[in-house]
Order: sequence, then structure tokens, then C-alpha cells
Amino acid sequence: GAGVSQSPSNKVTEKGKDVELRCDPISGHTALYWYRQSLGQGLEFLIYFQGNSAPDKSGLPSDRFSAERTGGSVSTLTIQRTQQEDSAVYLCASSLSGSNQPQHFGDGTRLSIL
Amino acid sequence: QQQVKQSPQSLIVQKGGISIINCAYENTAFDYFPWYQQFPGKGPALLIAIRPDVSEKKEGRFTISFNKSAKQFSLHIMDSQPGDSATYFCAASRDNTGKLIFGQGTTLQVKP
Repeated sequence: GAGVSQSPSNKVTEKGKDVELRCDPISGHTALYWYRQSLGQGLEFLIYFQGNSAPDKSGLPSDRFSAERTGGSVSTLTIQRTQQEDSAVYLCASSLSGSNQPQHFGDGTRLSIL
Repeated sequence: QQQVKQSPQSLIVQKGGISIINCAYENTAFDYFPWYQQFPGKGPALLIAIRPDVSEKKEGRFTISFNKSAKQFSLHIMDSQPGDSATYFCAASRDNTGKLIFGQGTTLQVKP
């Protein structure tokens, strides 16, 4: 079946602009995760959704970052007033539930801030 | 207490050899330990995972060894092939949310 789909695959934007990144999880997966991958910081957890609620958003680096999930499916990660340090690959993963089930990753959105 | 430390940072192995990557964790509440493989431009893909109630798990050429008392676990790739050349990440999580704490990654090169 279809895997986790992320769009856009690449995004280049100017410092100070807002960006929206989209994730379509595997159908039926109730848990959804956002991670960030950068050269200096490796793979970092950002936020976890169970259904439409986010019981763990402890990894969001600042209040410029927010995320939502609607209909228990699609999720959007929004970064406001982007900074150069936001440049990274943003990865989305989904799993059947939040309890140590295998997480399936999309191929990410590569974000470059000029 | 949330850290997972991975070594080596890079590894070169001859075709047919054994690749060994090690990880150590601090938080004894972790109860799930997966390994992911990542190719350039792709997302991480789950290879194999273990829970702390077993000391070893094998799937094909891939084996996880787990030492609960030492808080260490390792990935062994037997009969390494050039197609195994990729970046490997260990990770750990707790059952309450499943959020993964990743090691720093190991870049493996298998020479033909």
C-alpha cells in the first residue's frame, strides 16, 4: 500500500517568510510524528499526535513552530518567520498506535532558508 | 538522561565482512530499541527492533544484541554487501508515546 507522503519534497524560501509542510500518513495509522534532521543535530523529535491531539510537543524548538492534524489523518507543520537555523530535512512518520509500534517514515521535506 | 550514544561515526568494511555498530543509552525507562537504515535522499527505514526482555534478535543477515545491565545494544550485519552502504541509526523509546530518541548515526561503506 501507499507509504507516508510528504510535500513539498523541497522548499526554498527567504528568511522571515512562513512555510507549511504537509504529511499524509499511512491510512489507519493513528499515531503521527514529526522529526527534524540536520547535520549538526542529527534526528530530533518535534511533536507526536495521537488522533488529532498532540500529547507531546516537547520537541518544538520555539513558538515559531506549530503543527496540527485534522480528521485523524493529514498533518501540517508550520514555521513562522523562518530563520536560517531552520534549514533542515523535516521528516514525518506514522504508526498504528503510539505504543512502540514500528514507525514508517516519509522521504521528508528539505527546507532551505536563504 | 534522554541521550543515545552511537559509535563509530563511520565504518568501512570489505564485502563479505561483518559490520558492527554500537549504541549505549542512559534512561532505564526505554523499552523499545529499533535500528533504522537511511539512503541519501530517503527517509529512515526500519531494519529490526528489540525489546529488553530478549538478549538477541536475528532477521536474515541483521542481528541485534542487547545487554540490559550494561545499557548497550549493537547491530551486526553479517556478510556485508555493497548495497548495505548507507547510514544506520539506533534509537530508543518508551511505551507511553513511542517517540524515538536517535543516536548520531553511522555511515557504513562496504567495499566490493
